[in-house]
Amino acid sequence: GIQVEQSPPDLILQEGANSTLRCNFSDSVNNLQWFHQNPWGQLINLFYIPSGTKQNGRLSATTVATERYSLLYISSSQTTDSGVYFCAVANNNDMRFGAGTRLTVKP
Amino acid sequence: GAGVSQSPSNKVTEKGKDVELRCDPISGHTALYWYRQSLGQGLEFLIYFQGNSAPDKSGLPSDRFSAERTGGSVSTLTIQRTQQEDSAVYLCASSPISGAWANVLTFGAGSRLTVL
Repeated sequence: GIQVEQSPPDLILQEGANSTLRCNFSDSVNNLQWFHQNPWGQLINLFYIPSGTKQNGRLSATTVATERYSLLYISSSQTTDSGVYFCAVANNNDMRFGAGTRLTVKP
Repeated sequence: GAGVSQSPSNKVTEKGKDVELRCDPISGHTALYWYRQSLGQGLEFLIYFQGNSAPDKSGLPSDRFSAERTGGSVSTLTIQRTQQEDSAVYLCASSPISGAWANVLTFGAGSRLTVL
């Protein structure tokens, strides 16, 4: 199956800082999504982005499908951004998740 | 319903007992996924259902695990003869396969299973 690698595994930021999270995958995909898991365990979909660039407020994402990677940008981070960010990909039906990036934003 | 509903939210059981976990997807979502998340870990794919097609069971870790989806809606994940290593949060997600939100997963809150 597709291998998904996320980096960095852990990230600590001061409030207001910007960050870039990376997702590399081993095969072509027709589905790629970014999720945020809050400290209470709830997973929220941030972006559906198999290719191209999208923006939603302080978050944006870019997927370069031909080079098999996706980036999630967080600008002006807030303490509520803390949690784990997961990338998930699929080239048929089953979505496979990376191990996640654990983000801690300090006030 | 408005979201993906999972029950029970918490289940504590003794080693060797059978458990059933339930997932009620969003109405109209034909795709349904089960994942397992151990403490501090990522999501492990278990099984995928799509309409009336045969499910993709490639992620089930052993023959103690099974799942069914009745009438293309509610799904039940059954774990027989539970072991301590089965302790985890079991997450269900659903998605439509057409329309503006095609293939976008919505997750339930999960069922936390503790095997003593």
